[in-house]
Amino acid sequence: DTGVSQNPRHKITKRGQNVTFRCDPISEHNRLYWYRQTLGQGPEFLTYFQNEAQLEKSRLLSDRFSAERPKGSFSTLEIQRTEQGDSAMYLCASSLAGEYTEAFFGQGTRLTVV
Amino acid sequence: AQSVTQLDSQVPVFEEAPVELRCNYSSSVSVYLFWYVQYPNQGLQLLLKYLSGSTLVKGINGFEAEFNKSQTSFHLRKPSVHISDTAEYFCAVKPGGYQKVTFGTGTKLQVIP
Repeated sequence: DTGVSQNPRHKITKRGQNVTFRCDPISEHNRLYWYRQTLGQGPEFLTYFQNEAQLEKSRLLSDRFSAERPKGSFSTLEIQRTEQGDSAMYLCASSLAGEYTEAFFGQGTRLTVV
Repeated sequence: AQSVTQLDSQVPVFEEAPVELRCNYSSSVSVYLFWYVQYPNQGLQLLLKYLSGSTLVKGINGFEAEFNKSQTSFHLRKPSVHISDTAEYFCAVKPGGYQKVTFGTGTKLQVIP
């Protein structure tokens, strides 16, 4: 069991550039979540997928952010025209379906926008 | 909407002493409650959860938490801490029927030898 894998672990980009992060969930998990965590704050929910369907989106997910899970397996989170305020840790988690099943988190991708 | 308040950003405690990390929440609907732990350079790990039933829940590593509906609290306790408990602890809530989990700002537990 390799757990939830996120790549890259660190990304430094210039303001205005586009970035894409990848998340590989635990293989049998059909739910996948994206969170953002800034310094001194707890994780903030961005969006969640059940299989390939994106079922919930936070208003934090502006039109510069897009997430996909095309085959119901891995997911990508893209940020277009990055801003300094996008600097944060982006966390991915996955779980089985159910009213509540434990979500397993990856180690995150740390984005720094300079 | 839900919110979670963790009033203590840092809690220093001597090894083998008891500790309580406080969590209060607000919600207009019934929620499930969780505590997560984040060790340095590691992902969040579920410590324990309250879904229903007994208000005292036990988790991993000797931690327990008590749900108090009237005080809207879910404080985390451990009777005797170890150096290895040094980490950041997050309280979180999730409304029934939805997948969005709302986290508190975290409490850094520092265990002093």
